[in-house]
Amino acid sequence: AQSVTQLDSHVSVSEGTPVLLRCNYSSSYSPSLFWYVQHPNKGLQLLLKYTSAATLVKGINGFEAEFKKSETSFHLTKPSAHMSDAAEYFCVVSALTDSWGKLQFGAGTQVVVTP
Amino acid sequence: GAGVSQSPSNKVTEKGKDVELRCDPISGHTALYWYRQRLGQGLEFLIYFQGNSAPDKSGLPSDRFSAERTGESVSTLTIQRTQQEDSAVYLCASSSLAGVPLGTDTQYFGPGTRLTVL
Repeated sequence: AQSVTQLDSHVSVSEGTPVLLRCNYSSSYSPSLFWYVQHPNKGLQLLLKYTSAATLVKGINGFEAEFKKSETSFHLTKPSAHMSDAAEYFCVVSALTDSWGKLQFGAGTQVVVTP
Repeated sequence: GAGVSQSPSNKVTEKGKDVELRCDPISGHTALYWYRQRLGQGLEFLIYFQGNSAPDKSGLPSDRFSAERTGESVSTLTIQRTQQEDSAVYLCASSSLAGVPLGTDTQYFGPGTRLTVL
């Protein structure tokens, strides 16, 4: 079975400082992994995805994530937080069934950015 | 181009009433998904359509919930005899399965319908 755990429910950072959102997954095979962002009153937007190509994945808005099989992790980072990064972030694993890749969402990490 | 759209954006109903939620996927997207997001929680999968068939309905919480899809177009999620615990944001997503390995397609989400059951 596949699952995903986001280790922090809330993260608070100062503008201009690095952001680290932690995600661990469990999978019996090499999974596809995603990070989505949800801004208040807006739909979910894909930040980046890993699909067994390069282990360091670059996404939109300066975010990147590194797939580490040995640690079963897919942490999301950004070197310098911006006020517009305040949102909820979801780590997602694609769990293969017989016919499709079912997304399993983590519980989310709420990011607060202070001036 | 146009993204996934959902209507209504907000719906307030009384306990026991039926509601219909609509999703218009991105044109040409074969796959369509419904999710539920309760306040402060992650997304809960409800149902998956490939074309107009639903290979996976395992997330529908009860027989009060049903969904239909017309071809590779509009989908409707119906909740009968609504209960207060049905209050949530209902999200729809679509994806193109063409030419990608299983499980690697990107799902594009609509803005959601916020359902409040009084």
